[in-house]
Amino acid sequence: QVQLVESGGGVVQPGRSLRLACAASGFTFSSYAMHWVRQAPGKGLEWVAHISYDGSNKDYADSGKGRFTISRDNSKNTLYVQMNSLRAEDTAVYYCAREIVATIGFDYWGQGTLVTVSS
Amino acid sequence: QSALTQPPSASGSPGQSVTISCTGTSSDVGGYNYVSWYQQHPGKAPKLMIYEVSKRPSGVPDRFSGSKSGNTASLTVSGLQAEDEADYYCSSYTGSNNLRVFGTGTKVTVL
Repeated sequence: QVQLVESGGGVVQPGRSLRLACAASGFTFSSYAMHWVRQAPGKGLEWVAHISYDGSNKDYADSGKGRFTISRDNSKNTLYVQMNSLRAEDTAVYYCAREIVATIGFDYWGQGTLVTVSS
Repeated sequence: QSALTQPPSASGSPGQSVTISCTGTSSDVGGYNYVSWYQQHPGKAPKLMIYEVSKRPSGVPDRFSGSKSGNTASLTVSGLQAEDEADYYCSSYTGSNNLRVFGTGTKVTVL
């Protein structure tokens, strides 16, 4: 069965960095585009970033452009997001999500990892 | 990248129907048939309910249906059940650089 398991969340001071990981299993990871989506406490979903199946194409929401870097290691079946210059408004649960093959939408989600940016 | 507009809340009694709207622009909802809908129970990850405006993934009950007219998409839940009480979010492709946008979310209450 498809599983996505995020890790790397925690409490970090403003201006610092954090790298989140998403370990994938139960499917051919290298065949799927992947995304990061976040949700601030008590708020709605916000799309963060996309990476193509082979890592050649990356796209970002304005909120993370220039600060966040999405990447993947298909040999390790793992998705990453490097988050630099973190701000209080980056506080959220971060989900990784799989793109439906050959179309658009997120068909599987991880359980999320909480990032708290606070001094 | 403005969020798509959804009503904050909707409600219905068991067995009734509820429809949630999702309004965007011609650059997102109106421009592409790539609207999807997600159900989220408290403390849980979102679950895909509808993709490509009206397609249901396997395992999603046919009580859930989607449609679109112009810049507004809609999700209808027929025959409401207690377990349908959740937050619902729409999402759309925006056509530029694989960007996606979510709706503001609607809390559905089963009375």
